Amino acid sequence: EAQVTQNPRYLITVTGKKLTVTCSQNMNHEYMSWYRQDPGLGLRQIYYSMNVEVTDKGDVPEGYKVSRKEKRNFPLILESPSPNQTSLYFCASSPPDKYYEQYFGPGTRLTVT
Amino acid sequence: AQSVTQLDSQVPVFEEAPVELRCNYSSSVSVYLFWYVQYPNQGLQLLLKYLSGSTLVESINGFEAEFNKSQTSFHLRKPSVHISDTAEYFCAVSDGPYSSASKIIFGSGTRLSIRP
Repeated sequence: EAQVTQNPRYLITVTGKKLTVTCSQNMNHEYMSWYRQDPGLGLRQIYYSMNVEVTDKGDVPEGYKVSRKEKRNFPLILESPSPNQTSLYFCASSPPDKYYEQYFGPGTRLTVT
Repeated sequence: AQSVTQLDSQVPVFEEAPVELRCNYSSSVSVYLFWYVQYPNQGLQLLLKYLSGSTLVESINGFEAEFNKSQTSFHLRKPSVHISDTAEYFCAVSDGPYSSASKIIFGSGTRLSIRP
């Protein structure tokens, strides 16, 4: 089954404790992206990657890091989480000729206390 | 820069009633428009798209949207809703859907709740 998976689905952590949210897709997509979803603000792009070893900032990159060492994986790293990073995070991927057709993961709900 | 505005954050309707979810976008030389749907506890899914051609586009589950250039709108409609349509709907705009350098900008979402 073609899908985007994220882990963990739920995470509660404390300020300053480094964490990684994993994202993996099995559709051989080159393009991958991370979004955060907050009430009333819709989805905002954090980082995106056009291919292996190619990443770029989205609209709200502060406090986040990403890496793209393999085509299928695109982890999101929070080196020192803060309470304002409490949010619902989505990973997405899309085929090279249809960047609008984004396939989303199930989401990771992160709470930073 | 592109932007999209969804005028209603919540829309409650009765089952089998018609519904319209409003979306307006900032004008641009070329614009590509989308509606995504997010069912409870799931990620977003592409519902329908306007890239070119006919200004009226349809989805497989009975929704339709019309691209109106003069009013810079892309409202989503369904003549008769079902309980299963309960979800949050996001309008989105892109200036170049075929390029990896292009971005998709999402609206703030409209939560559609269906009452029996």
